[in-house]
Amino acid sequence: NAGVMQNPRHLVRRRGQEARLRCSPMKGHSHVYWYRQLPEEGLKFMVYLQKENIIDESGMPKERFSAEFPKEGPSILRIQQVVRGDSAAYFCASSPISLETQYFGPGTRLLVL
Amino acid sequence: QKEVEQNSGPLSVPEGAIASLNCTYSDRGSQSFFWYRQYSGKSPELIMFIYSNGDKEDGRFTAQLNKASQYVSLLIRDSQPSDSATYLCAVNGGGSNYKLTFGKGTLLTVNP
Repeated sequence: NAGVMQNPRHLVRRRGQEARLRCSPMKGHSHVYWYRQLPEEGLKFMVYLQKENIIDESGMPKERFSAEFPKEGPSILRIQQVVRGDSAAYFCASSPISLETQYFGPGTRLLVL
Repeated sequence: QKEVEQNSGPLSVPEGAIASLNCTYSDRGSQSFFWYRQYSGKSPELIMFIYSNGDKEDGRFTAQLNKASQYVSLLIRDSQPSDSATYLCAVNGGGSNYKLTFGKGTLLTVNP
């Protein structure tokens, strides 16, 4: 009974590099949400996706950040040209339909040097 | 701007006592309310959700919702040291039912 899976669990990047974070939702779930948790801050919504569709990306920074959820494979959160301020924990959650409870994965902790 | 407010704590209670965690929210259109527990360095873990005014009990946990006062709380009875964690209040509904808005969390410490 696998839950939400995320990898890598820890990612270290130097400034200017790209970070790719992956999320596989729970079995039977087709809705994926990405949240970011900055140090000493609460979780902030970033983006909501269904298979092959971005439904709401209102929480995504306007530049350098993108997300996808292809027909096959995991959802990807991509951060181009990372900066130190991108250092945070990135959590993925999934639900079977959009109004259902969201279950969180273990997170990816990104550290930008 | 939708907001969810929680006392940051720390809230310290002795083992066996009742811990009371509170949360207020600004969006009157909010429909669903969630409590997550987050241990240090770990991911949020769902404890309870509540949709209707009143109380909802699950084991040692009771969630209370008062939509008129825009207030939701979580009571933990017979607190255990393993309950020591940060408790996150989350709200969705209104214009975007899927988007959870989180409070910053309350750090609870249960002392043996």
